[in-house]
Amino acid sequence: DVKVTQSSRYLVKRTGEKVFLECVQDMDHENMFWYRQDPGLGLRLIYFSYDVKMKEKGDIPEGYSVSREKKERFSLILESASTNQTSMYLCASSSTSSGRTWSDTQYFGPGTRLTVL
Amino acid sequence: QKEVEQDPGPLSVPEGAIVSLNCTYSNSAFQYFMWYRQYSRKGPELLMYTYSSGNKEDGRFTAQVDKSSKYISLFIRDSQPSDSATYLCAMSVVRNTPLVFGKGTRLSVIA
Repeated sequence: DVKVTQSSRYLVKRTGEKVFLECVQDMDHENMFWYRQDPGLGLRLIYFSYDVKMKEKGDIPEGYSVSREKKERFSLILESASTNQTSMYLCASSSTSSGRTWSDTQYFGPGTRLTVL
Repeated sequence: QKEVEQDPGPLSVPEGAIVSLNCTYSNSAFQYFMWYRQYSRKGPELLMYTYSSGNKEDGRFTAQVDKSSKYISLFIRDSQPSDSATYLCAMSVVRNTPLVFGKGTRLSVIA
């Protein structure tokens, strides 16, 4: 089974702190994604990566950065946390395999609920 | 107009009912359509995957895609309390590109 793990389920930080959210997948997937999920707004893409050291901006990258030094790990960084970044953060991964049609579906981690005070 | 529209509900049905969940979309280039189920305080999990138009059935679940109407549906037969969750539709133009999600429909199945 594909497993995507996120470093924390719940996190409370202060305004202005630098925050690191870690995501690890164990299926050798090439692609990794960071989303945030807010009531009434749904899932919104922050950043994604198709390969090590590669990153692409999603729909709402402002205030965030990412790091992918190893294939299995994708980190989301809040350089200076603000209260409007209080949200559920979801990491996902997928394979670039050209085999079965299901092979490129995204698998999600359990999420990190971040509260910024 | 939002790229993907989904009625947020909440939708409440009795156990055993047939449930119909729907999404409409505006981008005619979408080809890959998915339904995810998300239980409270968990990440979404893939439920159904459909390429292009047509129907797909998996147990009590049936996914339909009508590209001419830009409309997709998920039907749940003989609904169970364990089906209570938020259902998210998602779609993409090209494989392995980021998905565009609907906002999700919250479903409650009452025993």
